[in-house]
Amino acid sequence: DSGVTQTPKHLITATGQRVTLRCSPRSGDLSVYWYQQSLDQGLQFLIQYYNGEERAKGNILERFSAQQFPDLHSELNLSSLELGDSALYFCASSPSGERNTQYFGPGTRLTVL
Amino acid sequence: GENVEQHPSTLSVQEGDSAVIKCTYSDSASNYFPWYKQELGKRPQLIIDIRSNVGEKKDQRIAVTLNKTAKHFSLHITETQPEDSAVYFCARGGSNYKLTFGKGTLLTVNP
Repeated sequence: DSGVTQTPKHLITATGQRVTLRCSPRSGDLSVYWYQQSLDQGLQFLIQYYNGEERAKGNILERFSAQQFPDLHSELNLSSLELGDSALYFCASSPSGERNTQYFGPGTRLTVL
Repeated sequence: GENVEQHPSTLSVQEGDSAVIKCTYSDSASNYFPWYKQELGKRPQLIIDIRSNVGEKKDQRIAVTLNKTAKHFSLHITETQPEDSAVYFCARGGSNYKLTFGKGTLLTVNP
């Protein structure tokens, strides 16, 4: 157990819908990262937040957005869902004193039908 | 760029043998190189990492070596056991905080 929690574990929805994935970082970690893992694309970095501020952006679609709240939990919002958005979505958190070291949560498996 | 090439994509060894997975990177600003183990349907688990001021790091049966000049790093697992079977990912990090991952190596340890 890494100490990073994610909800829900599984999500099944239809094309065109909107979903919200939630992540709570390890106690004391200020950084949160979101990744998408699909069979053909591997682990792709989406976005990073540090203490409520967006710090880095990767291959995140305009239909996707994220935020980090004052209590440091983060939410990833996915809208106008397409079949190709079906994937595992992981959140990771990083200790402030250990740059780059990332601990992953259990993930949310999203299935778009 | 920040790409990472990982080889081989699959590796099958006999229990007790050693396994070696290699990764190469191109960004000279890379300074952090973690390795993750991922079992089917589970989260990537950090198993070892190395920073660019160190050439080798060992933790029991696993070790990582880094050659900054050649821009490659490797994971070595000795005395492999069936529970080592998983997908292993290398990654690189730099000043922009994000990690770029390799495509993964499926390691199978046959009893």
